[in-house]
Amino acid sequence: DAKTTQPTSMDCAEGRAANLPCNHSTISGNEYVYWYRQIHSQGPQYIIHGLKNNETNEMASLIITEDRKSSTLILPHATLRDTAVYYCIVRRISGAGSYQLTFGKGTKLSVIP
Amino acid sequence: GAGVSQSPSNKVTEKGKDVELRCDPISGHTALYWYRQSLGQGLEFLIYFQGNSAPDKSGLPSDRFSAERTGGSVSTLTIQRTQQEDSAVYLCASSLETIQETQYFGPGTRLLVL
Repeated sequence: DAKTTQPTSMDCAEGRAANLPCNHSTISGNEYVYWYRQIHSQGPQYIIHGLKNNETNEMASLIITEDRKSSTLILPHATLRDTAVYYCIVRRISGAGSYQLTFGKGTKLSVIP
Repeated sequence: GAGVSQSPSNKVTEKGKDVELRCDPISGHTALYWYRQSLGQGLEFLIYFQGNSAPDKSGLPSDRFSAERTGGSVSTLTIQRTQQEDSAVYLCASSLETIQETQYFGPGTRLLVL
């Protein structure tokens, strides 16, 4: 699977939009971009995923550049409960071992009152 | 609806004892996965089930680790003769029908081997 690069940490003021970037310059055509987050001492929580179109759900929006080499997760109105480590992963959805998720170091997002 | 549940949430055991960790997947999810997450380490894949069979056990660290799934639902991960290096958070995830689907994780079982 393609490797991803994320900033180690970010701060965001409560109520403002949090924009978390991810670089995945070696992504292949059959690889999806997935975002998970992990709040301290909890299991990973699925947020959103996409292939090439922008996606939005009740939690977040995912903006993928046209060349697919980078993406941005947007939390439109960050709350204190959004403080967590956010993982961007690139995942093949077919082929041997494609179900084995691998998390990098992620971005620690701190939402500040 | 109910998510993936795991029990116990915490387990402290002595070196050499056996432990059983339980995972209850989301209702209707046929694929189930076990991972391990150690402090400072990433996510380590252990095994996955499709229905009751385990096509891929390649991630199990040693023959002390085993897992089973019955009735296409609940799964149990068993660690025999636990060692201190087994201390970690054991995570279970499930997905709908096929391995291409999104995986949803449970809260994990924190295992501490003294």
